[in-house]
Amino acid sequence: SQQGEEDPQALSIQEGENATMNCSYKTSINNLQWYRQNSGRGLVHLILIRSNEREKHSGRLRVTLDTSKKSSSLLITASRAADTASYFCATVQTPGSGGSNYKLTFGKGTLLTVNP
Amino acid sequence: NAGVTQTPKFRVLKTGQSMTLLCAQDMNHEYMYWYRQDPGMGLRLIHYSVGEGTTAKGEVPDGYNVSRLKKQNFLLGLESAAPSQTSVYFCASSYSRSRGNTEAFFGQGTRLTVV
Repeated sequence: SQQGEEDPQALSIQEGENATMNCSYKTSINNLQWYRQNSGRGLVHLILIRSNEREKHSGRLRVTLDTSKKSSSLLITASRAADTASYFCATVQTPGSGGSNYKLTFGKGTLLTVNP
Repeated sequence: NAGVTQTPKFRVLKTGQSMTLLCAQDMNHEYMYWYRQDPGMGLRLIHYSVGEGTTAKGEVPDGYNVSRLKKQNFLLGLESAAPSQTSVYFCASSYSRSRGNTEAFFGQGTRLTVV
């Protein structure tokens, strides 16, 4: 089964609003990453947060990580129509946690639609 | 700097045919991955490699084989294609964890249809 699960599966907002997506995972991790995919294209890395970090910022992106709850959230502030895409969380599992070293596994994604 | 290149971009196969998908990266990355993406399923890991000459199974390895004879190339083979293998296949690569950066870089995908 897949390591990460994003919530919600789909999100529709107006331009200028904030978008929040959540990710839950099952086993201990070394780090958690968020990726973006425009329709029909390859994935693009957005941000990486390590297991000993709680919050990270990059431009309009804010990621939080709660290892006790095995969850993460991605906040996109002041959204734009160009932010319309699918967003995926991915985890790198901690060696010895039941997963193999450095295996990068993805969730099913959240489809974000930003309406002009 | 091309990054990660997948060949071919599109392919239609008949059931039972075989084919090889090629992934090439020019970033000297140790790690390489093959994923398949199906509607509503996200990306599922097929096989991966942590270095030249090594491969490991992912979440959905059945029906696929892989080889990593050269560090820059990761090949995905379908020996006898089935309609259930119709999907979009993505290759990715990354540095090893010891480099302190496991960000993955993706190719543009191969759209495979098995009829």
